[in-house]
Amino acid sequence: GAVVSQHPSRVICKSGTSVKIECRSLDFQATTMFWYRQFPKKSLMLMATSNEGSKATYEQGVEKDKFLINHASLTLSTLTVTSAHPEDSSFYICSARVGRESPLHFGNGTRLTVT
Amino acid sequence: AQSVTQLGSHVSVSEGALVLLRCNYSSSVPPYLFWYVQYPNQGLQLLLKYTTGATLVKGINGFEAEFKKSETSFHLTKPSAHMSDAAEYFCAVSDSSYKLIFGSGTRLLVRP
Repeated sequence: GAVVSQHPSRVICKSGTSVKIECRSLDFQATTMFWYRQFPKKSLMLMATSNEGSKATYEQGVEKDKFLINHASLTLSTLTVTSAHPEDSSFYICSARVGRESPLHFGNGTRLTVT
Repeated sequence: AQSVTQLGSHVSVSEGALVLLRCNYSSSVPPYLFWYVQYPNQGLQLLLKYTTGATLVKGINGFEAEFKKSETSFHLTKPSAHMSDAAEYFCAVSDSSYKLIFGSGTRLLVRP
């Protein structure tokens, strides 16, 4: 079946630094990837939609300059949290699909802790 | 616009008992409906989905859900709970683009 690999699974960084999270589709080409953020004991909030070769579409209230998304190939999308602050600590999950009407496949998430 | 409401942030059942997790949705277009399960510190695994056709859908691990348009509901059931079913369950709605909108989640606790 389709596998989405997310790396790293956990990362701790200092306030003010930047962190990059990778999302890879291992056995299929993902035309679209979605990035979600999950707060403790809360649901998943869609942050942005990433289409290969074009700029990401951000949801309302998500700072595009803070959460940089790049989808340079059909198998890789990256989320960079720039100038991280403790309030950016969260669980970030990516998902990917092949085509417009294909189901989503989720990565295992990245736990970001900013100290 | 689409939205999902999951009634009950926590549901506790005894092992072997019926599991019922409630989900109601709002959608201005024919909805696609999903149930996902999440184990601690992991991503989401698809249990089942409804797009078109038969309104009773069967998923993995013995779960099933019924799409009831008149009630705008998509409740998840399992006849007999196992300890391994303890997890967080999310209902989600989308249109044909699969841009998912998630409910707030229900934590299922299974008592021995």
